[in-house]
Amino acid sequence: DVKVTQSSRYLVKRTGEKVFLECVQDMDHENMFWYRQDPGLGLRLIYFSYDVKMKEKGDIPEGYSVSREKKERFSLILESASTNQTSMYLCASSLGQYNEQFFGPGTRLTVL
Amino acid sequence: GEDVEQSLFLSVREGDSSVINCTYTDSSSTYLYWYKQEPGAGLQLLTYIFSNMDMKQDQRLTVLLNKKDKHLSLRIADTQTGDSAIYFCAESCDNYGQNFVFGPGTRLSVLP
Repeated sequence: DVKVTQSSRYLVKRTGEKVFLECVQDMDHENMFWYRQDPGLGLRLIYFSYDVKMKEKGDIPEGYSVSREKKERFSLILESASTNQTSMYLCASSLGQYNEQFFGPGTRLTVL
Repeated sequence: GEDVEQSLFLSVREGDSSVINCTYTDSSSTYLYWYKQEPGAGLQLLTYIFSNMDMKQDQRLTVLLNKKDKHLSLRIADTQTGDSAIYFCAESCDNYGQNFVFGPGTRLSVLP
């Protein structure tokens, strides 16, 4: 079974802190994604990556950056956390075109 | 840009059928997907349908696709309390089928 793990289930940070969210997949998937999930808005794509060191902006990249140094790991970075970044963050991976995206359990981030 | 719409809430009685509806805008979508999110968990793929199909049945699940109206539905027969979850409709939205656009999710509540 594909497993996508995220480093934390719950995280509380203060405004202005630098925040790292880590995601690891164990099935050698090419594609990895970071979404945020907010009630009534569904999932919105922040960044995605098709390959190591490759990254593309999604719909809402402002205030975020990403890093993919190894194929299995995709990190989301909040350079200076703000209260409007309080949300559920979901990582996903997929093998290639039209393939199912497998999701991690999510990290609920609260920025005070 | 692409947009996927769903009603936000649905309540049904245990044993009844549930029908969750979705409309999408990208007529070139090759696949359309239904994902399920249980409380505290990430999303899991329930089923998908190829765009040249009208219907797909999988045990208690029936997916209907009306490509002319860009309307997708998910019918769950004999709904059980374990079906209570948020259901997301998604379409593949780029030429490579790697990026998905998700709807806001329909929260299904199953009443005893």
